[in-house]
Amino acid sequence: AQKITQTQPGMFVQEKEAVTLDCTYDTSDPSYGLFWYKQPSSGEMIFLIYQGSYDQQNATEGRYSLNFQKARKSANLVISASQLGDSAMYFCAMRDRMDSSYKLIFGSGTRLLVRP
Amino acid sequence: DVKVTQSSRYLVKRTGEKVFLECVQDMDHENMFWYRQDPGLGLRLIYFSYDVKMKEKGDIPEGYSVSREKKERFSLILESASTNQTSMYLCASNTDGAGGYQPQHFGDGTRLSIL
Repeated sequence: AQKITQTQPGMFVQEKEAVTLDCTYDTSDPSYGLFWYKQPSSGEMIFLIYQGSYDQQNATEGRYSLNFQKARKSANLVISASQLGDSAMYFCAMRDRMDSSYKLIFGSGTRLLVRP
Repeated sequence: DVKVTQSSRYLVKRTGEKVFLECVQDMDHENMFWYRQDPGLGLRLIYFSYDVKMKEKGDIPEGYSVSREKKERFSLILESASTNQTSMYLCASNTDGAGGYQPQHFGDGTRLSIL
């Protein structure tokens, strides 16, 4: 069965430093997509970055990059130069073709707190 | 930018009431979704729709129904609200565009309390 695992319930990072949020996934479908979302305390779910299973390069989007290691089934999010506004819950999610509902499978999330 | 708008950020209703949660998207997306988010249980799919008037059950459809009469609007209905439906409800939409999986774009969420 498809599964997303985020093993870090909470993390701290100093402002202006980089931080890595871990995500491992499990699927038997060779075609899948991996997504990271940010959820501030206000509740909205904000899409950050996408990586396709066949993409040759690691995805980048501004200060966000995805460290995609296919053989290890990991898709870690790297946030460079952390800002106070980065404090939020971060969710890793996956979609593949095995589920006809098109739904995203979400991990349990990591709460990131950026210290000034 | 994609805009998904949910009708209320906060809603308080009474047990037994019929509750409507509305969601509108402005990007002509085919697919729309309703999730609920609970501490310790993560996000769970209630219903989704891949076209006008089409709907499919997700993982937890019991006690809910949906309506999609127009492409841009997807409504979630609690037929007879119960306290265990107190939750955060998130609407999302996306398209089936070519070239890989497309992200779902979410609304701001509705925090629903059933008293």
